[in-house]
Amino acid sequence: DIQMTQTPSSMPASLGERVTISCRASQGISNYLNWYQQKPDGTIKPLIYYTSNLQSGVPSRFSGSGSGTDYSLTISSLEPEDFAMYYCQQYDSSPLTFGSGTKLEIK
Amino acid sequence: EVQLVESGGGLVQPGRSMKLSCAASGFTFNNYDMAWVCQAPKKGLEWVATISYDGSSTYYRDSVKGRFTISRDNAKSTLYLQMDSLRSEDTATYYCARHLRIITDYFDYWGQGVMVTVSS
Repeated sequence: DIQMTQTPSSMPASLGERVTISCRASQGISNYLNWYQQKPDGTIKPLIYYTSNLQSGVPSRFSGSGSGTDYSLTISSLEPEDFAMYYCQQYDSSPLTFGSGTKLEIK
Repeated sequence: EVQLVESGGGLVQPGRSMKLSCAASGFTFNNYDMAWVCQAPKKGLEWVATISYDGSSTYYRDSVKGRFTISRDNAKSTLYLQMDSLRSEDTATYYCARHLRIITDYFDYWGQGVMVTVSS
């Protein structure tokens, strides 16, 4: 199975700050990488697919990039509703695997 | 509006069975592959199983093969997960998700989840 490692595991940040979350795959995944947000009540929402494509309805302050084994999710200016857990997910090979998650916390 | 509503969770003893359901609405259910994804307490997400739009193909993670069965009733717009020979490590919140597998491999809508606790 492809292992997905996210860093950091938690990140204190302030409103308006620019933040970047990293996701590293145990082998190259050819940009087959998605990002999801999970709120404290458990609600899961897709954000980005195929590395950098924004899901419909997701604000433009979210962006994704990367290649090979290294990928990132950037939020350009944090809003209150952005404090949540974030997960990456690879689909280069089965089984689909998710990262361990990054908790974005209010500083 | 797309809605996925899971039901059927609860407390079950090790070795016993449980069946989860997911009622879908707001889209043409029989046009889409569907999946179950779980999340153990304080842990990350883990794909469990996927079923094709017509039920003809199913896919499972190794740890549940032979114990879990994913199925669907397109007439009722409902997805199921039959879980047999349950183990303590199956304790998790189980999410039903719509699974896009054309061009990408992406869960674009998720339910609220249902908790399954396997304990004596």
